[in-house]
Amino acid sequence: EAQVTQNPRYLITVTGKKLTVTCSQNMNHEYMSWYRQDPGLGLRQIYYSMNVEVTDKGDVPEGYKVSRKEKRNFPLILESPSPNQTSLYFCASSLSAGGLGNEQFFGPGTRLTVL
Amino acid sequence: SQQGEEDPQALSIQEGENATMNCSYKTSINNLQWYRQNSGRGLVHLILIRSNEREKHSGRLRVTLDTSKKSSSLLITASRAADTASYFCATTGGNNRLAFGKGNQVVVIP
Repeated sequence: EAQVTQNPRYLITVTGKKLTVTCSQNMNHEYMSWYRQDPGLGLRQIYYSMNVEVTDKGDVPEGYKVSRKEKRNFPLILESPSPNQTSLYFCASSLSAGGLGNEQFFGPGTRLTVL
Repeated sequence: SQQGEEDPQALSIQEGENATMNCSYKTSINNLQWYRQNSGRGLVHLILIRSNEREKHSGRLRVTLDTSKKSSSLLITASRAADTASYFCATTGGNNRLAFGKGNQVVVIP
């Protein structure tokens, strides 16, 4: 089944404790991205990747890191989480960045709480 | 950057009625997409309309695009309780980045 998976789905952590949220897609998509969703603010892009070893900042990259060592995986790293990073996070992938192939396939979401 | 802006923000209708949502954007686009999100879950792609298209249909969905007014509308005909969700528009501009609006909550009352 074609899908985007994220782990963990739920996470409660404390300020400053490094964490990684994994994202994996099995559709051989080139483009992957991370979003955070907050009430009243909609979806905001954190980072995106056009292909392996190619990543770039989105609209709200502060406090986050990503890597794209393999085509299928795009982990999101919070080196020192803070309470303002409490949010619902989504990973998404698409065949390409633009044009007709950029319909996004979303993962199920990771609800992160930073105390 | 946020580009799409849906209007109205919340809509409550009876089952069987039609639901219409609007989306406006500020800069030129390559395409515009609509997504649905059931509470707290991942977004699901509904339909994509290219900048040179004016109208597109998919099942009970009808999307229009007016590039001169920089706006789009999503019509759901004969709504069902299962259509209760949030609906987002998203635009792709020249930089090939996708920008989402804040979402439009639709409640269909059985």
